[in-house]
Amino acid sequence: GENVEQHPSTLSVQEGDSAVIKCTYSDSASNYFPWYKQELGKRPQLIIDIRSNVGEKKDQRIAVTLNKTAKHFSLHITETQPEDSAVYFCAATSYNNNDMRFGAGTRLTVKP
Amino acid sequence: NAGVTQTPKFQVLKTGQSMTLQCAQDMNHEYMSWYRQDPGMGLRLIHYSVGAGITDQGEVPNGYNVSRSTTEDFPLRLLSAAPSQTSVYFCASSRSPGDYGYTFGSGTRLTVV
Repeated sequence: GENVEQHPSTLSVQEGDSAVIKCTYSDSASNYFPWYKQELGKRPQLIIDIRSNVGEKKDQRIAVTLNKTAKHFSLHITETQPEDSAVYFCAATSYNNNDMRFGAGTRLTVKP
Repeated sequence: NAGVTQTPKFQVLKTGQSMTLQCAQDMNHEYMSWYRQDPGMGLRLIHYSVGAGITDQGEVPNGYNVSRSTTEDFPLRLLSAAPSQTSVYFCASSRSPGDYGYTFGSGTRLTVV
């Protein structure tokens, strides 16, 4: 089955700096890569996703890049704000696969 | 539109007790699943269902049972609770997880003593 590795496990940045979280996946058949944000004590919420037919997707201050050849994808957050502090999870699956695998999570802390 | 509703929010069980975690969604999603979340291990899939009457095992199914009699409901049963099942449990639903991602419930924090 799919195996997703996520790095780093913790990340601390100053407000206004950029943050990058990286994930690798093992199954070359995976073609859908969502990212979830989980604030303390809350449920995970989908913040952005990318499909294998594109290399990059942006939504305001967040962007995701995908390198299919290397089987890795990354989340980029620019101009970080304290409210970006949360645990971020990457995941990978394919259209006909009902078993979505998650990375172990990255705890992002944005210091004011 | 309530989304995905989980009950209870908190539960303490003694070893060997049984209980059912409830999950309901009102979005007419065919796909529903249960995950457990443990520190440093992300979210691990327990069981999932692609429609009423259809269920299948995920990555960590041992000790858990599920059924799907309606599109809306997907309960998770712990038959004989063990301390290793202490975790936060999330129910999730999707129109198609490989295309639209998940909507998660608010979670159930379960402690087995």
